[in-house]
Amino acid sequence: AQKITQTQPGMFVQEKEAVTLDCTYDTSDQSYGLFWYKQPSSGEMIFLIYQGSYDEQNATEGRYSLNFQKARKSANLVISASQLGDSAMYFCAMREQPGNTGKLIFGQGTTLQVKP
Amino acid sequence: DTGVSQDPRHKITKRGQNVTFRCDPISEHNRLYWYRQTLGQGPEFLTYFQNEAQLEKSRLLSDRFSAERPKGSFSTLEIQRTEQGDSAMYLCASSLAGAGEQFFGPGTRLTVL
Repeated sequence: AQKITQTQPGMFVQEKEAVTLDCTYDTSDQSYGLFWYKQPSSGEMIFLIYQGSYDEQNATEGRYSLNFQKARKSANLVISASQLGDSAMYFCAMREQPGNTGKLIFGQGTTLQVKP
Repeated sequence: DTGVSQDPRHKITKRGQNVTFRCDPISEHNRLYWYRQTLGQGPEFLTYFQNEAQLEKSRLLSDRFSAERPKGSFSTLEIQRTEQGDSAMYLCASSLAGAGEQFFGPGTRLTVL
């Protein structure tokens, strides 16, 4: 069965510094997608970044980058130049093969607090 | 606004009552998903539609839960005879079939007293 593990329940980072949020996954599929979502206290899930299993380069979106290490089955999120507005819950998720339902399997989440 | 919308945002009900939530997906999206999120946990998949067809239901979805998407546009999720364990955030998401990210709505927070 597919599984996502986020081992850091909470993280602190100083404003303007970089932070890495860990995510490991388990799947027997060859084709899959990995996602990171941000959930502020308001509750809405905000898409941040996507990495396909066949993508050779690590995904980047502005201050977000995904450190994809396929052999280690890890997909860590790196946030550069942290801002106070980055304080939120962050979820790593995996999608089954595109030909199937496309449902997402989420990890337990990591709470990030950015200190001024 | 062309995002996913959900109504109501908050619902407080007494145990044993029925509740219904609505989700309006992004208009061109043919896939619609329902997830449930309890406090401090990640969302868990409940069910999914492609157009009007409900193609998969999680084992989490007991027979007290029913979902519909009658015209392949908006969807409703009904919970009958609510229990305190149903208290959670109910999230709706939509996407294009075979595409990348799912776009989530703001969620409906249900509290069962």
